[in-house]
Amino acid sequence: KAGVTQTPRYLIKTRGQQVTLSCSPISGHRSVSWYQQTPGQGLQFLFEYFSETQRNKGNFPGRFSGRQFSNSRSEMNVSTLELGDSALYLCASSLKLGEAGANVLTFGAGSRLTVL
Amino acid sequence: AQTVTQSQPEMSVQEAETVTLSCTYDTSESDYYLFWYKQPPSRQMILVIRQEAYKQQNATENRFSVNFQKAAKSFSLKISDSQLGDAAMYFCAYKMNRDDKIIFGKGTRLHILP
Repeated sequence: KAGVTQTPRYLIKTRGQQVTLSCSPISGHRSVSWYQQTPGQGLQFLFEYFSETQRNKGNFPGRFSGRQFSNSRSEMNVSTLELGDSALYLCASSLKLGEAGANVLTFGAGSRLTVL
Repeated sequence: AQTVTQSQPEMSVQEAETVTLSCTYDTSESDYYLFWYKQPPSRQMILVIRQEAYKQQNATENRFSVNFQKAAKSFSLKISDSQLGDAAMYFCAYKMNRDDKIIFGKGTRLHILP
């Protein structure tokens, strides 16, 4: 069973550019969430998607956006990149059994973004 | 707002010994889950153990066990018979029942001394 796949694994951008990161969840998983990991702020929740709908959003500026497709794959986009956006972006998927439950999250290996 | 605090940024333990990582959290919710995740240098976040708040019995997974003190809002992780492969960053995490938003602590870097 394939795990959560994130692409690209590494990328370098310059300030002002935009970036799109992709996440393919485990087959059958319908919930996808995104996290930003930096040395200073640690792991912070970005957003959560289920059935193509954003269910929850963290405290990030509007430059950070995301979407989920009908096959549960998700993308996140960061526009007008700033130096502080350099981070490891982690995606996680879960098998959402109804509206509640432990919903153990399985994480991908992350996309390492460097903004110069 | 919910918070998770790990007061030990780094710890070291001798191989084969036992080590306990501390975690406290704050919430007004009654229905939630607690987790310990491990992140080795490969960056892959791996679930170590989970605890449902409504269960009084402490969770165990092989060499890993927790001490869950709900009233004190404490959730420590004990690793027995430490192995070199246990070296990693360990994150304590909290999740409410109703969504998949996880709140992580800052992490504890665990070193295993041969």
